[in-house]
Formats: sequence, C-alpha cells, structure tokens
Amino acid sequence: NAGVTQTPKFQVLKTGQSMTLQCAQDMNHNSMYWYRQDPGMGLRLIYYSASEGTTDKGEVPNGYNVSRLNKREFSLRLESAAPSQTSVYFCASLRGRAVEQYFGPGTRLTVT
Amino acid sequence: RKEVEQDPGPFNVPEGATVAFNCTYSNSASQSFFWYRQDCRKEPKLLMSVYSSGNEDGRFTAQLNRASQYISLLIRDSKLSDSATYLCVVNRGNTPLVFGKGTRLSVIA
Repeated sequence: NAGVTQTPKFQVLKTGQSMTLQCAQDMNHNSMYWYRQDPGMGLRLIYYSASEGTTDKGEVPNGYNVSRLNKREFSLRLESAAPSQTSVYFCASLRGRAVEQYFGPGTRLTVT
Repeated sequence: RKEVEQDPGPFNVPEGATVAFNCTYSNSASQSFFWYRQDCRKEPKLLMSVYSSGNEDGRFTAQLNRASQYISLLIRDSKLSDSATYLCVVNRGNTPLVFGKGTRLSVIA
C-alpha cells in the first residue's frame, strides 16, 4: 500500500515548456486534489476532482489543466510554464467524508 | 479576510515548555476541524481531529469554541521532534478542506 505517489520528485523547466505532473493513489479514494505551496502563502488549491469523471477549479487554476484519468490517477498539466509557477506541488486524496486527507510527497518544480 | 487564520509565528520555545496555537475561522457553517502537521520539505499529515468537547492525544490537546469560531492546539512538555509547522484545517461539508497558512514551531534544546 503506497498511499499517494507523485512523479517526478524534482523538475526544472524553461519558460514556455510544458509538462505533466502525475499522481496516483491506491486507497480507492473518491476525491483527489492538486495544491501548490509557496513560502508564506500556505497550501493553495489548484484543481480538484470530487469523483471519477468530474473536475473543478480551486483557488488558483490559471495556467493549469487537469485530467482524472480513472479513479486512481489525477494529473496536472502546465501547458506553457512561467517562472510564477515555481513551487512545490502536492497531490492529495480523500475517501468520501473521511477525516484524513492523504498527501503525496510533493514535486519541486523550478521554472527558469 | 481569509477563511482560516493562524498566527504564522515562529514560536521559539525551550524543550519542556508548554505552547498553544490558536486559529480562527470565518464560516459559521464549518462542520469539522483538524490539526495537520508539516515537517520541513515534507507533506502535511493529520495530527488530530478537534471535537466540540475537546480531545487529548498524549501531550497534545485540541479544543473548539464554536461560539467564538476558534480552535486551539496545546502542546505540553515540548520535544525537539515537535518542531514543525502546524496547519489548522476546516471542513465545510461537500467542498474541499480549507487549510490555514500554518504556525511554525521551533523547539530549542
């Protein structure tokens, strides 16, 4: 039982490049989330998926797209990376009304 | 005004001290409450839920005051290993959890 996994762990992009951050959970959770965390800003929700087949915008969706590929996987895509997207990205999952939201280990992204 | 507000700290305390963090929330429809812990460069993890009657888990005590809309976390006999950022989290029901920005604690030998 790996919980929530994310790939890659680290990535450096040049401005304008694109990439997809992958997230998978093996806990059969319905809801999945993408956050970014910047110093002094706390966790900010980018997009979430309450169930397979649905996605919704969070607090800071601009510049990102998501795909809920199946119940296990939820990917985040940066189509044209900008330096303002330099951040640590966390994926998380939650089962229904369960108390605990489980986070992946994070992806540290630098855009130069 | 942010929905969940916390004093960012840092709180620098000696080992063995008692330290308390407060958190206020603005949405009176909030249903459930939690404290998460985040170590440096790691992901957040659930520390404890917060119940209306107050609850304790070892050296940690959480309390909720619905009338005043604040949540507290008390840590007794602080250990070096308690050094982390503590996130106040609010659940409004069928919407994503709302996270505070966190309070940083440093326990000093």
